[in-house]
Amino acid sequence: QVQLVESGGGLVKPGGSLRLSCAASGFTFSDYYMSWIRQAPGKGLEWVSYISSSSSYTHYADSVKGRFTISRDNAKNALYLQMNSLRAEDTAIYYCARDTSNSLARWGQGTLVTVSS
Amino acid sequence: QSALTQPASVSGSPGQSITISCTGTSSDVGGYNLVSWYQQHPGKAPKLMINEGSKRPSGVSNRFSGSKSGNTASLTISGLQAEDEADYYCCSYTSSSAYVFGTGTKVTVL
Repeated sequence: QVQLVESGGGLVKPGGSLRLSCAASGFTFSDYYMSWIRQAPGKGLEWVSYISSSSSYTHYADSVKGRFTISRDNAKNALYLQMNSLRAEDTAIYYCARDTSNSLARWGQGTLVTVSS
Repeated sequence: QSALTQPASVSGSPGQSITISCTGTSSDVGGYNLVSWYQQHPGKAPKLMINEGSKRPSGVSNRFSGSKSGNTASLTISGLQAEDEADYYCCSYTSSSAYVFGTGTKVTVL
């Protein structure tokens, strides 16, 4: 069955960096666009970024543009999010999701990122 | 890109029908038939309930239905059940080639 497992979250100081990973299984990873979405504690969902199936196209929310980089390794069935210059407002649960027909059809369980001194 | 507007809360008794609205602009909801709806129970990941405005993915109850009129999309839950108590979010593709979520609606089953 389709499974997405995020990892790499943790506590980081403002201005620091973190790299999130999402391990995919149960489907042909290289066929799908993939997205990252985040949810601050007690708040709503915010789309962060997506990447095309072949990595040829990426797109970012204005709130993370220039600081975050999405990438993927289709040989390893893995999705990544490199987060630099982290701010307190980046504190959130980060979810990876499989994009199907411009909807987020399958989600992982999320990984918590806390930015605090 | 501003978040789509949803009511903060909607409630209903078991067996009733409720409708959640999702208002955007012609650059998102009104411009594309690409609104999706997600259900999120506390402490859980969101689950896709409706895609492309009105399509139900396999396994989703037919008590859930979606529609759109102009810049407003709607999710209707008929035959409300206790297990439907959750947060619901709409999401739309936008003219900026991005996604924008709604503000979220807490559904309470009385």
